[in-house]
Amino acid sequence: EAQVTQNPRYLITVTGKKLTVTCSQNMNHEYMSWYRQDPGLGLRQIYYSMNVEVTDKGDVPEGYKVSRKEKRNFPLILESPSPNQTSLYFCASSSIGEKLFFGSGTQLSVL
Amino acid sequence: SQQGEEDPQALSIQEGENATMNCSYKTSINNLQWYRQNSGRGLVHLILIRSNEREKHSGRLRVTLDTSKKSSSLLITASRAADTASYFCATDGNQGGSEKLVFGKGTKLTVNP
Repeated sequence: EAQVTQNPRYLITVTGKKLTVTCSQNMNHEYMSWYRQDPGLGLRQIYYSMNVEVTDKGDVPEGYKVSRKEKRNFPLILESPSPNQTSLYFCASSSIGEKLFFGSGTQLSVL
Repeated sequence: SQQGEEDPQALSIQEGENATMNCSYKTSINNLQWYRQNSGRGLVHLILIRSNEREKHSGRLRVTLDTSKKSSSLLITASRAADTASYFCATDGNQGGSEKLVFGKGTKLTVNP
């Protein structure tokens, strides 16, 4: 089954403790992206990747890192999480110029 | 940054009625997409309409695009309780591909049985 898999689904952590949210897709998509969703603000793009070893900043990249060492994986790294990064995070993938497939989301709480 | 804006923010209708949601955007686009989100879940793609298209249908969904007014509408006919969800438009900002796909804030649709 074609899917984008995000883990974990829920995560509670404390300020400053490094964490990684994993994202994997099985559709051989070139394009992958991370979004955060906050009430009243819609979805905002954090980082995206057009292919292996090619990443670029979205609209809200501060405080986040990504890597794309393999085509199927696109982890989101928070080196030193802060409470303002409490949010619902989504990974998505697509072929270039086509519709996005979304993961189920990761609800992150930073205390 | 350039962003689609949905209107209304919230819409409540009875089952069987039609639901219309609108999206306005600011700059030229290559395509506009509509997505649906059930509460807290991942978004699901509904329809993609390209800038040279004016109307597109998919089942009970009808999307129109007016590039001169920089607006699009999503019509759901004969709505069902299962259509209750948030609906988002997304535009690519004429940069090609989906690398800068920008989402609006969404319309929350409630269909009452």
